[in-house]
Amino acid sequence: AQSVTQPDIHITVSEGASLELRCNYSYGATPYLFWYVQSPGQGLQLLLKYFSGDTLVQGIKGFEAEFKRSQSSFNLRKPSVHWSDAAEYFCAFRYNQGGKLIFGQGTELSVKP
Amino acid sequence: EPEVTQTPSHQVTQMGQEVILRCVPISNHLYFYWYRQILGQKVEFLVSFYNNEISEKSEIFDDQFSVERPDGSNFTLKIRSTKLEDSAMYFCASLEDSGNTIYFGEGSWLTVV
Repeated sequence: AQSVTQPDIHITVSEGASLELRCNYSYGATPYLFWYVQSPGQGLQLLLKYFSGDTLVQGIKGFEAEFKRSQSSFNLRKPSVHWSDAAEYFCAFRYNQGGKLIFGQGTELSVKP
Repeated sequence: EPEVTQTPSHQVTQMGQEVILRCVPISNHLYFYWYRQILGQKVEFLVSFYNNEISEKSEIFDDQFSVERPDGSNFTLKIRSTKLEDSAMYFCASLEDSGNTIYFGEGSWLTVV
């Protein structure tokens, strides 16, 4: 069955440190891939997306993600984390036009001063 | 930038009561979705709607749920007889016909007491 795995439930990083959030998907072909961010009590904001082409995609707020077909991964990175990045991060994918998004469990990011 | 709008932002209801959550998708979008997120858990797909009918639904979307597009702009989720376990954030989302990105509303927080 199609699924998304985010192996890290909670990550804490120091402000200014680099960040990598892991995401693996289970699907036979290349899906449409997304990262969303959710602040407490808020909605889902799209950070970035991958459909095809260049496997390194840039998003908002200084985030980037790299698609690796061989590893079925789409990890999110940021070179220097800010305190305002503390939030829940969700990886998601869908595999057909109009199809539903399948979400991972989410990774909660805490940022310490 | 166009956005998906949801009302109410927060509703408290008695168990057994009917609830209607309302959404105004982005105007040129043709695919509509409802998702829910129980507190602290991942975002779960409920139902997708296209061409005035349900295109897919999850096992969560049982007979107590229904969706409707009563006019050209609104998309509603009705829960007929709410249970305590229906307490969650409900997200509406939409996608344009040739688009790839699903846009989410800010959510409607439902508390069943």
